Amino acid sequence: QKEVEQNSGPLSVPEGAIASLNCTYSDRVSQSFFWYRQYSGKSPELIMSIYSNGDKEDGRFTAQLNKASQYVSLLIRDSQPSDSATYLCAVPPVGSGNTGKLIFGQGTTLQVKP
Amino acid sequence: DGGITQSPKYLFRKEGQNVTLSCEQNLNHDAMYWYRQDPGQGLRLIYYSQIVNDFQKGDIAEGYSVSREKKESFPLTVTSAQKNPTAFYLCASSRQGASYNEQFFGPGTRLTVL
Repeated sequence: QKEVEQNSGPLSVPEGAIASLNCTYSDRVSQSFFWYRQYSGKSPELIMSIYSNGDKEDGRFTAQLNKASQYVSLLIRDSQPSDSATYLCAVPPVGSGNTGKLIFGQGTTLQVKP
Repeated sequence: DGGITQSPKYLFRKEGQNVTLSCEQNLNHDAMYWYRQDPGQGLRLIYYSQIVNDFQKGDIAEGYSVSREKKESFPLTVTSAQKNPTAFYLCASSRQGASYNEQFFGPGTRLTVL
């Protein structure tokens, strides 16, 4: 099992809909989880960090963490064509201690159609 | 403005050449990282450094070398020993410490072997 798994997509949603992106991870003791957005040809941009169970909201974005089930999700409300990008999930790898290292999922490509 | 800069944006290398990619940050971050991204793939860690004059190999260090003589700078050399260097190279930095895994990326360097 890969340490971080994401459905590569593409996930296609109509403009204005809710996009739901999921990520599962293997390390039960992970304490921090990150979502990055990467537009085609550009570098990843950190959009959400979540450290505790439950929901964290930031504008149209909500990150949901369920440590018992080992998954973290990202909801994008009122999706816009400008949200079309690849979304990368990242968690610290097993045994990384305080190195600050992250393992990245393959990313899910989101397409928001006008 | 604080941030991470990478240069050049595009780089072309002939077979057998060594090339050096620049990464500079003015965020006062202790830790810096180099990743490689191939088309349609996730990020793979090449090298990382948590402190000046110290660095560790990542998952795919063969054919690469780094130095960390200054806190602000973490250049990556792609040597002729790297057999398939064509890729998008990303530099990132983060604050040091177990709770601070948030990594911020530079704009990237796209390397092509001719």
